[in-house]
Amino acid sequence: GAVVSQHPSRVICKSGTSVKIECRSLDFQATTMFWYRQFPKQSLMLMATSNEGSKATYEQGVEKDKFLINHASLTLSTLTVTSAHPEDSSFYICSANAGVAKNIQYFGAGTRLSVL
Amino acid sequence: RKEVEQDPGPFNVPEGATVAFNCTYSNSASQSFFWYRQDCRKEPKLLMSVYSSGNEDGRFTAQLNRASQYISLLIRDSKLSDSATYLCVVNVAGNMLTFGGGTRLMVKP
Repeated sequence: GAVVSQHPSRVICKSGTSVKIECRSLDFQATTMFWYRQFPKQSLMLMATSNEGSKATYEQGVEKDKFLINHASLTLSTLTVTSAHPEDSSFYICSANAGVAKNIQYFGAGTRLSVL
Repeated sequence: RKEVEQDPGPFNVPEGATVAFNCTYSNSASQSFFWYRQDCRKEPKLLMSVYSSGNEDGRFTAQLNRASQYISLLIRDSKLSDSATYLCVVNVAGNMLTFGGGTRLMVKP
């Protein structure tokens, strides 16, 4: 079964709307979660590392004020796409490390965002 | 040069065929290696870790050559359900993963 739950799976919104995506670890605590973005026919690109109780670490070129990350508990990280525009339309996926050695990343089912 | 490079394919093979994918990585400090499978419009799912000694899981065999910084995945007796994109994934440090662009496999009846 899924170890990482992501919600919602699909969002269609108007330009200028803010969209919140939730990522939950199921039955385990995740001090670190990762947020990726995938454009059509491209690979996953890491956007940011979400750290429980502290600020997220953003990859180069990712605007922290545009993509707000909150990791308020050991099982929940949220990504908010603020004032979304059509170019933000993409597949957003979160992940967390699980397993005995915690060296395996499991992914949420992803959120497909379409901004009109 | 990309950190993790893969031939994007597609590889079109008949059912029952054996197919091999290759992947090269640029950072010699890379520590862990994985193959993930991603179906269209779905999240990646772990297929197998790759160990230095090589490892096998059913019809799938993964190999790692650290000297050449090269990883491979061999699929024997291809099934229609093997059609997907296969992602070569490398961990350099901590828990951060770097993904290759993926190799698309299409298995035909």
